[in-house]
Amino acid sequence: DAMVIQNPRYQVTQFGKPVTLSCSQTLNHNVMYWYQQKSSQAPKLLFHYYDKDFNNEADTPDNFQSRRPNTSFCFLDIRSPGLGDAAMYLCATSRTRGDNEQFFGPGTRLTVL
Amino acid sequence: AQKITQTQPGMFVQEKEAVTLDCTYDTSDQSYGLFWYKQPSSGEMIFLIYQGSYDEQNATEGRYSLNFQKARKSANLVISASQLGDSAMYFCAMRLNTGGFKTIFGAGTRLFVKA
Repeated sequence: DAMVIQNPRYQVTQFGKPVTLSCSQTLNHNVMYWYQQKSSQAPKLLFHYYDKDFNNEADTPDNFQSRRPNTSFCFLDIRSPGLGDAAMYLCATSRTRGDNEQFFGPGTRLTVL
Repeated sequence: AQKITQTQPGMFVQEKEAVTLDCTYDTSDQSYGLFWYKQPSSGEMIFLIYQGSYDEQNATEGRYSLNFQKARKSANLVISASQLGDSAMYFCAMRLNTGGFKTIFGAGTRLFVKA
């Protein structure tokens, strides 16, 4: 049973064209995270929501925004994608921020043309 | 500065043998957690094992064990009896228990299991 679902699995967008990636969870976890993982690199945390409280990482570009309309869903908006934003975007959840495990979705691979 | 270092970009191991994946970390915090995740070619990150900074015993989960040496700031992953399905990317990660509980990942080690 899928617990963290990401749609779409593959997304192609054009340079500068806004794109939204979706994440949903059936775990009823309080925390949802968005990571960016470029080819052959470690995942890098962009931001996370603790319930409705948004926590942005200091080095996350303003081009990246997020919305969490309810517990189950979280969206990643890239307002003006550049070629350097091509990456795998991973969504993860945890019950609390101090939990010993984050549950990851399968990721969305974003291509920017 | 908080940092995770994995010095082995790639490792080969023969099926059924044990393998150790290295991980060192740097933090001045006293309370933190150390994790290992597996990422197959499908892309999903799979949690393997966790070690808390105050845990005195090394963590074990089935064929996975974490060799925690706090004084050396190392948290190596040992996989016993390697299987072909263990071929994947392995990430060491550290969660700081203060300042927002940020998780930092290492660059990863790609493990190849040979038949």
